[in-house]
Amino acid sequence: NAGVMQNPRHLVRRRGQEARLRCSPMKGHSHVYWYRQLPEEGLKFMVYLQKENIIDESGMPKERFSAEFPKEGPSILRIQQVVRGDSAAYFCASSQTGGDSPLHFGNGTRLTVT
Amino acid sequence: EDKVVQSPLSLVVHEGDTVTLNCSYEVTNFRSLLWYKQEKKAPTFLFMLTSSGIEKKSGRLSSILDKKELFSILNITATQTGDSAVYLCAPMTTDSWGKLQFGAGTQVVVTP
Repeated sequence: NAGVMQNPRHLVRRRGQEARLRCSPMKGHSHVYWYRQLPEEGLKFMVYLQKENIIDESGMPKERFSAEFPKEGPSILRIQQVVRGDSAAYFCASSQTGGDSPLHFGNGTRLTVT
Repeated sequence: EDKVVQSPLSLVVHEGDTVTLNCSYEVTNFRSLLWYKQEKKAPTFLFMLTSSGIEKKSGRLSSILDKKELFSILNITATQTGDSAVYLCAPMTTDSWGKLQFGAGTQVVVTP
């Protein structure tokens, strides 16, 4: 039973480029969450999605960041025109249901902006 | 404002010692308290506590929640070097599923 799969593991982008991070939830999980961990900081919630719906995006920066979880395929976190401050580890998590099941995290994508 | 405080921030113990980690929280609409272990990569789920006073155990790890005093404890007995990690707690609320507010974590180092 594969866990939450994220790719790529490492991503290097130059300032101004776009970054696309992918996440496939655990089998049977329909709730996906994205978190960001900046260097020397804790995990911070970004967005909560179900299939084709954004449920809570209160942690997403207002500009340049977007997320989707299409009917088919993985969830995508997209960062346009990356800046050095976007360098961080981005973790995806999934859960079976909403409020009464724990979140299981993937190994993360480490984004480095040069 | 919601608040999650973990203590101590870090500790170093010898193999075989017992450690007790603390997590206090102040959140509205509390539902559950989750514990995770984070080594170099993904936070690994340990426990989800919803009811007060009921201890959950998994091997050498155990945890308990006190909803009246708003804190939780994670115990690790007979520590091993593989227990070295950052331990994170996070409350879950009834109105923000999946929006976990993580504490800063406790860094545990177990020396041989």
